[in-house]
Amino acid sequence: AQSVTQPDIHITVSEGASLELRCNYSYGATPYLFWYVQSPGQGLQLLLKYFSGDTLVQGIKGFEAEFKRSQSSFNLRKPSVHWSDAAEYFCAVAPGAGANNLFFGTGTRLTVIP
Amino acid sequence: EPEVTQTPSHQVTQMGQEVILRCVPISNHLYFYWYRQILGQKVEFLVSFYNNEISEKSEIFDDQFSVERPDGSNFTLKIRSTKLEDSAMYFCASRGDSGVNEQFFGPGTRLTVL
Repeated sequence: AQSVTQPDIHITVSEGASLELRCNYSYGATPYLFWYVQSPGQGLQLLLKYFSGDTLVQGIKGFEAEFKRSQSSFNLRKPSVHWSDAAEYFCAVAPGAGANNLFFGTGTRLTVIP
Repeated sequence: EPEVTQTPSHQVTQMGQEVILRCVPISNHLYFYWYRQILGQKVEFLVSFYNNEISEKSEIFDDQFSVERPDGSNFTLKIRSTKLEDSAMYFCASRGDSGVNEQFFGPGTRLTVL
């Protein structure tokens, strides 16, 4: 069965510091991978996605993520965090392009301190 | 930019009452979804809807739940007789017909069952 693990429930970083949010998935084939962000009172906004090709994908707001098949990971990174990045971040996997549903991790709450 | 909208943002109801959560998907999208997130837990898939019928549903989506697209713009989730454990954030999502499972989410409705 598909599953997604986000080992860090809460991360605190200083503004300007680098960020890495971890995501591991369990799935037999190459899944379709997503990162979503949720700010308070907002919906889930897609940051980036990986379907195939280059394993380093660029997203919005300066985020990137790297798919590592050998580690079953899809970690999200940002070189310099801004205070506005404080939010909840969700990793999700779809079993295939036409799959109906997404499987989500439990989320990582990011706090940014000045 | 087109977005998915949901109403109400917060619904409080008594156990045993019926609730209807409303969503307006992005206008040219064809696939519609409901997910829920119980506080502190993962976002979980409930149901997908395409071509005026349910295409997939999870174990959570039992006989107490139903979905409907009553007109060309709304997509609703009905819970017939709410239980305390139905308290959660409910997200609606939609996607186009590109074949890629990129779903756009609404801001959610927080349902509180007393």
